Amino acid sequence: EAAVTQSPRNKVTVTGGNVTLSCRQTNSHNYMYWYRQDTGHGLRLIHYSYGAGNLQIGDVPDGYKATRTTQEDFFLLLELASPSQTSLYFCASNRQGAKEQYFGPGTRLTVL
Amino acid sequence: QQKVQQSPESLTVSEGAMASLNCTFSDGTSDNFRWYRQHSGKGLEVLVSIFSDGEKEEGRFTAHLNRASLHVSLHIREPQPSDSAVYLCAMSKTGFASALTFGSGTKVIVLP
Repeated sequence: EAAVTQSPRNKVTVTGGNVTLSCRQTNSHNYMYWYRQDTGHGLRLIHYSYGAGNLQIGDVPDGYKATRTTQEDFFLLLELASPSQTSLYFCASNRQGAKEQYFGPGTRLTVL
Repeated sequence: QQKVQQSPESLTVSEGAMASLNCTFSDGTSDNFRWYRQHSGKGLEVLVSIFSDGEKEEGRFTAHLNRASLHVSLHIREPQPSDSAVYLCAMSKTGFASALTFGSGTKVIVLP
């Protein structure tokens, strides 16, 4: 079973704060994704990447940066956090062409 | 860009009665559909994955896909109180990038 881990699992920050969410997969997957989940919206794609150094913009990218430092690690950066970014964040990964996508356990972020 | 409408928004059923959830989508290019269950505050649990028109059963959960009608459904046979959760449909097009597009979710409450 493919494994995706996220850290931290919970984070509280203040408006204007700087936050980094981390995701790691050890499955040699090419693709990694960041989603946010809000009530009434399901999950929405923020950014994704198909390899180290690559970054693609998703559907709701405003206020977020991301960086893929290695095949395994994908980071989501909120440089000036706002209360509208309070959400549950999921990371996911899959191999190119694969039908299954594997999700991490989620990070709950609260911006006060 | 694929749009997904999920209905109903919430559903209350008695233990043992059939529960039916629906998703309609905007175009027929997706070939990878799945239903997830999410208990309150928890991660995503994949219930059924379906890749071609017709029916796919996984235990008490059955998905029906009709791409010509742009419709995918989930039926829960003999639901139990432990099935109380939010159910999400999701879809993608297998290929270069397989980011999932999600419905907004159906909150299911199963009464004992």
